[in-house]
This record gives sequence, structure tokens and C-alpha cells, in this order.
Amino acid sequence: DTGVSQDPRHKITKRGQNVTFRCDPISEHNRLYWYRQTLGQGPEFLTYFQNEAQLEKSRLLSDRFSAERPKGSFSTLEIQRTEQGDSAMYLCAGEKSGNTDTQYFGPGTRLTVL
Amino acid sequence: DQQVKQNSPSLSVQEGRISILNCDYTNSMFDYFLWYKKYPAEGPTFLISISSIKDKNEDGRFTVFLNKSAKHLSLHIVPSQPGDSAVYFCAASGGTDKLIFGTGTRLQVFP
Repeated sequence: DTGVSQDPRHKITKRGQNVTFRCDPISEHNRLYWYRQTLGQGPEFLTYFQNEAQLEKSRLLSDRFSAERPKGSFSTLEIQRTEQGDSAMYLCAGEKSGNTDTQYFGPGTRLTVL
Repeated sequence: DQQVKQNSPSLSVQEGRISILNCDYTNSMFDYFLWYKKYPAEGPTFLISISSIKDKNEDGRFTVFLNKSAKHLSLHIVPSQPGDSAVYFCAASGGTDKLIFGTGTRLQVFP
């Protein structure tokens, strides 16, 4: 158990709806990452936070996606106007700064857009 | 542009024998490499890592070897156990903080 939790574990939504996912890392994780994984692929980087600051966003992160980490603890990832291509596993990972890039993943949120 | 490649989508090994999973990378800026194990419907679980200043790291049944000149790393599992059956991902980082993952190798360990 990495101590990283994600909620919900599964989300089914209709195309065009907005969805929000939550990630709770452990308190020592001052860095928090979001990845997306589709079938047959490895996780792909979306964005990451150092405490509450969002330091990098992938070009995969269209303007329909937004992420926050308001108090440097939990984080949310929102997808507006969902499309069928957004169907994927969304993974959150925590990392203790200075721990040589070892990231510890939560169980993921499986999103299905109908 | 796939910077981290796992060219074998699957591997089948008998229980008790050695499993060898391979990974190739193209970016010479990568300086830290990790292996993760993933079961269906779960997040990746960290297994073992290696820094580019080393060529071998061992943790119990798991050993990772790094060949920088060939831009190749491998994960050895010995002896293999049925519980090792999962998808294994190789990942790399360097210069930035994000991890770049390969596409994974599905390992099946049979009795």
C-alpha cells in the first residue's frame, strides 16, 4: 500500500458531461503527478505539482483539462465536456522531493465516456 | 516518438526459472530508471530502480542491469513465482521530473 488514494475508482459518464477526480497522497509527498493510461500503453504524463505550484503540463492536457492542488495536499483533476477519447485510467502518483524520482502510484480512476 | 521501448509484449516462464524483461531507451539524458509491476485495475507498484552511475542493483529476487553504452536495461526475476504474473513497465527520467514509460511486457509464470 503506497498510501496514495484516489476517488472515485470508477466513473461512467455521458459525452459532454464534466467529471472531477481526487487524489490524496501521503503528507511527505510534496510532489504530485497525474498520468493517463490507455489500453496497451504505458502511463503518459499529464501534469505535476510541487506543493501547490503546477510546474509542468503536457501537450496532452487540452484546455478541457484542469488540475489543482490548492493547499499542497490533495489534488483534483477536472475534465470538462468529456469526449469518448477521454476514456482511460487516470493515475496519480506522489513523490518525496529528493527521493531520486521514485513515484508511488494510487489505484487509479477508470473513466468510461459513453 | 517512443523514447522507452519494451519490444516484447509478452513473456511466459515456468515457475522456478528466471524471467528476463528487457527495455531500450533512446534519450541519453535519462539518468534514472525504474521498473513497475501492474495488476489489472490497480495502479503500478514500484519494484526496483537504478541510477545511471551504477550498472546493477539487486533487491531480493529482483535485479536490474543497466548497459548505458547500449541504452539497454533488463529486469531479472529469479526464481519466478506465479504471483509475479503481471504487466511490467520500464520507466525513465532525466532532466525533467516526469517519468517516461514503455508499453509494458505481460509476464505469465506457469507451474
